[in-house]
Amino acid sequence: KAGVTQTPRYLIKTRGQQVTLSCSPISGHRSVSWYQQTPGQGLQFLFEYFSETQRNKGNFPGRFSGRQFSNSRSEMNVSTLELGDSALYLCASSFVQATVSYEQYFGPGTRLTVT
Amino acid sequence: AQSVTQLDSQVPVFEEAPVELRCNYSSSVSVYLFWYVQYPNQGLQLLLKYLSGSTLVKGINGFEAEFNKSQTSFHLRKPSVHISDTAEYFCAVVNAGNMLTFGGGTRLMVKP
Repeated sequence: KAGVTQTPRYLIKTRGQQVTLSCSPISGHRSVSWYQQTPGQGLQFLFEYFSETQRNKGNFPGRFSGRQFSNSRSEMNVSTLELGDSALYLCASSFVQATVSYEQYFGPGTRLTVT
Repeated sequence: AQSVTQLDSQVPVFEEAPVELRCNYSSSVSVYLFWYVQYPNQGLQLLLKYLSGSTLVKGINGFEAEFNKSQTSFHLRKPSVHISDTAEYFCAVVNAGNMLTFGGGTRLMVKP
């Protein structure tokens, strides 16, 4: 099976702009989660989508949003970018059975740099 | 919410020596624990998981971990490390709704 794919791999944006990142999960995985990784804060949970619905949300401002499509692909959007949004954004997918999720498999990440 | 603490931020070790990376979790009735590895400029790769059952869990690349409920620990071990094991290792616990909470990471540096 193909792994989790994320596009683009690298992105440079200017403060105030917005950005959309894309994630394609492993075939058959219906849960997609997003994480932000920075040197200062480490790995932090952004949100999780399952069957096109946001099931959980981490402690991030409303500028961070996401969605999931019927084929389980997911996008996350960050509006009004700030310098502090520079990070590696990781997407993870997992198999769900009877609402129980199992281990998460991560993509290679999108490295976002805000200047 | 459950949390994990990785006690060492860096662990230097010589090639072919054994290594233990320490992880402690906050106590809970039931807990699902994971170890992930991250190589430079890559995502996270699942090394092993503890969901239930045997407390000794074997993973990929010769790693294993032992779930110790009384000590609330889930330490990662490898009897003989290679240069290629140089990476950052993360311990994680699942919280409600499939949210992974990670420790701060341990950088394993294998020296020749």
